[in-house]
Amino acid sequence: DIQMTQSPSSLSASVGDRVTITCRASQSMSIYLNWYQQKPGKAPKLLIYAASSLQSGVPSRFSGSGSGTDFTLTISSLQPEDFATYYCQQSYTTPRTFGQGTKVEIK
Amino acid sequence: QVQLVQSGAEVKKPGASVRVSCKASGYSFTNYYVHWVRQAPGQGLEWMGIINPSAGTTRYAQKFQGRLSMTSDTSTRTVYMELSSLRSEDTAVYFCARDPDYGGYEASFDVWGQGTTVTVS
Repeated sequence: DIQMTQSPSSLSASVGDRVTITCRASQSMSIYLNWYQQKPGKAPKLLIYAASSLQSGVPSRFSGSGSGTDFTLTISSLQPEDFATYYCQQSYTTPRTFGQGTKVEIK
Repeated sequence: QVQLVQSGAEVKKPGASVRVSCKASGYSFTNYYVHWVRQAPGQGLEWMGIINPSAGTTRYAQKFQGRLSMTSDTSTRTVYMELSSLRSEDTAVYFCARDPDYGGYEASFDVWGQGTTVTVS
């Protein structure tokens, strides 16, 4: 199985801050990497697919980069509605696997 | 609009089975694979398996082999997930999710059901 490791596990940031979350895979997987946002009591929401493609309807302040084993999710200017938990997920092979999540909290 | 609507919350005793449904609307049901993902209280996301609604073929995570079954009914546009021999550790929210491009670069979970809480107690 491919292990996905996110860092940090949590972070505190202010509105307007630039936030970066990283995800490392245990083996190379090209660009088969997706990012999700989850708010309490809700289903996850797809933000980025294929490492850097923005899902329709997602604000452009979200961006993704990387390939192989190292990937990054960036929020260019954090907004109040962005406080949530973020997960990376690989779609290179089954079983699909997720990172452990990064909780973004208000500073 | 494109949506997946799941059945309601369940409370089960240890050793019992649970069946959760996921009804699709707004898109061609047989053209998209459907995954099941669960989330235990306060924990992360765990992939359980996938079904091709057209062919009925499935793949399951190793840890669920032998007690997980996924089926589809094309006449009602519904996929089902049944988990047997339930234990307390199976208490979780169970989600179905559509895959827009299984096997391709855009493979992901682009549409999610609202989640079904299963409590084993």
